[in-house]
Amino acid sequence: GQQLNQSPQSMFIQEGEDVSMNCTSSSIFNTWLWYKQEPGEGPVLLIALYKAGELTSNGRLTAQFGITRKDSFLNISASIPSDVGIYFCAGQLYSGGSNYKLTFGKGTLLTVNP
Amino acid sequence: DTEVTQTPKHLVMGMTNKKSLKCEQHMGHRAMYWYKQKAKKPPELMFVYSYEKLSINESVPSRFSPECPNSSLLNLHLHALQPEDSALYLCASSLGQMNTEAFFGQGTRLTVV
Repeated sequence: GQQLNQSPQSMFIQEGEDVSMNCTSSSIFNTWLWYKQEPGEGPVLLIALYKAGELTSNGRLTAQFGITRKDSFLNISASIPSDVGIYFCAGQLYSGGSNYKLTFGKGTLLTVNP
Repeated sequence: DTEVTQTPKHLVMGMTNKKSLKCEQHMGHRAMYWYKQKAKKPPELMFVYSYEKLSINESVPSRFSPECPNSSLLNLHLHALQPEDSALYLCASSLGQMNTEAFFGQGTRLTVV
């Protein structure tokens, strides 16, 4: 099956710093998604990307769908303590019939020190 | 209403018990999903329902039995589980299976003893 390589695995940063994380794959994806998950909660969708080269912002978050369709990055600017959580990338691929499946990266654990 | 509601939030069950997890959404979404998530791991897809019909079963053991009674409800029936089945079970929904903006519930933290 498709594999997503997400890096870094974890980050420890100071409040106010910018953050960057990325996902790469050997497969081409139709869609890239970025989710954030806090302890005891389900993942929350942050940004969805549908076209190669697309650059989308959501407040302090910016994500891009790579030109090759095999990668995506997420940037967080001016981090704040509530940015703490696990960030997952997810790629969607048409898998035949009426089936579309999401594959998740292993996640980036972000810790922000006040 | 943009919520996916899961009940119960926590569940402890013995290996001989039968229990059910419930999921509800009122966003008019026609695709609903069950995922299993172990600690510090990404969600793993278990089942997909599209228009109340089972669309994908990711080779899940038969001790997990999904049910979609109507377009707003999704159940996961549990029977004869093993301790290694302990995990966070997440329900999600999206407008259709082709639309990937999936909304997740809070999850049910399941412990099998």
